[in-house]
Amino acid sequence: ELKVEQNPLFLSMQEGKNYTIYCNYSTTSDRLYWYRQDPGKSLESLFVLLSNGAVKQEGRLMASLDTKARLSTLHITAAVHDLSATYFCAVSRRYGGATNKLIFGTGTLLAVQP
Amino acid sequence: SQTIHQWPATLVQPVGSPLSLECTVEGTSNPNLYWYRQAAGRGLQLLFYSVGIGQISSEVPQNLSASRPQDRQFILSSKKLLLSDSGFYLCASHDSGGLGETQYFGPGTRLLVL
Repeated sequence: ELKVEQNPLFLSMQEGKNYTIYCNYSTTSDRLYWYRQDPGKSLESLFVLLSNGAVKQEGRLMASLDTKARLSTLHITAAVHDLSATYFCAVSRRYGGATNKLIFGTGTLLAVQP
Repeated sequence: SQTIHQWPATLVQPVGSPLSLECTVEGTSNPNLYWYRQAAGRGLQLLFYSVGIGQISSEVPQNLSASRPQDRQFILSSKKLLLSDSGFYLCASHDSGGLGETQYFGPGTRLLVL
């Protein structure tokens, strides 16, 4: 059974600081996704990582994937208040002809303090 | 890019009443479609997925059912709601039969069963 664990569950950061969110998964996966969710809103796709060593960056966020360690990280550089949200990682596997059922982590609630 | 519509946005229903939530997708063809539920303060759980018209797979035993009468329409239903059906219901789409880059989420329906 594919399981996904995120840590920390809650992260309080000061503006300008750096931090990393970790996502571990239990079995081989085809893809690793990162999403952002603002309170009361839907999920916004941030990154999709497809292969070992993949690194993607958008603004102050950078995601990486190590398939051998079954680990993805979401690194936040010089945090700003606008980054406050819940961040989810998710992994998918293909089963026969059906593809991309996402298994989500528990989420990391990020609060950036001034 | 694709656009996902869900309605209603918010719904308050008494226990034992029926339910019908609708999801439609624009800007893609032959997508894989998914229903997820998010309990308050929790991660997302996959309920149903569909790889084509009339093809529904259930992920967890529950009080709900799903149907896909058209390529870009996905419906979530119940004959009699339970208190435990309360939550945030998200429809998602993954184009090209699941081979597209990422899975996109609709705006969601917030359901409260009283």
